[in-house]
Amino acid sequence: GAVVSQHPSRVICKSGTSVKIECRSLDFQATTMFWYRQFPKKSLMLMATSNEGSKATYEQGVEKDKFLINHASLTLSTLTVTSAHPEDSSFYICSARVTGGTDTQYFGPGTRLTVL
Amino acid sequence: GENVEQHPSTLSVQEGDSAVIKCTYSDSASNYFPWYKQELGKGPQLIIDIRSNVGEKKDQRIAVTLNKTAKHFSLHITETQPEDSAVYFCAASRYGGSQGNLIFGKGTKLSVKP
Repeated sequence: GAVVSQHPSRVICKSGTSVKIECRSLDFQATTMFWYRQFPKKSLMLMATSNEGSKATYEQGVEKDKFLINHASLTLSTLTVTSAHPEDSSFYICSARVTGGTDTQYFGPGTRLTVL
Repeated sequence: GENVEQHPSTLSVQEGDSAVIKCTYSDSASNYFPWYKQELGKGPQLIIDIRSNVGEKKDQRIAVTLNKTAKHFSLHITETQPEDSAVYFCAASRYGGSQGNLIFGKGTKLSVKP
């Protein structure tokens, strides 16, 4: 149980285009999902907290107009990187918390974004 | 805010030996401490967690200990196997908080040599 999927697993795009990453909780409902960014050989950096039906809460220094988050259902959150640039290239990982459960976060497999 | 320090950054052990990774935290209100294992190119996988009302928790070859007074917690892996090789992250958060944000340590790269 507690499986989280991400799609796509890898994406390559040109500068200036937008890319959407999906995060799904497959066997549980998740009122709260989290989006992280991870640079090579580094720790996870929380970008934003996504709550179903409301606006996401962004961490300091994360541009909300560049990283659009939508959490329209209890099993799906999306992260859209708008007008992507090479510096946005990174490993993006989502996690989800079981609705009504504990603070345990279950992570997705990650999405490798490369912006040319 | 919370700050989590993790040591060592790299750890190499011989197969069958034990491995210990230590973390300290700064916020005395933190009460939930998970450990994650991350293999190359994959997302973190929860391997064990502990809450502040417990001092130790075991799951087969993995154990976690918590010292609330000293504000540190440790991961112990016994009888290590090559498949234990990965990056391990500790984290801390306040259970019941409105966000429940996890604050991660910088990670420990564990290498188990056959």
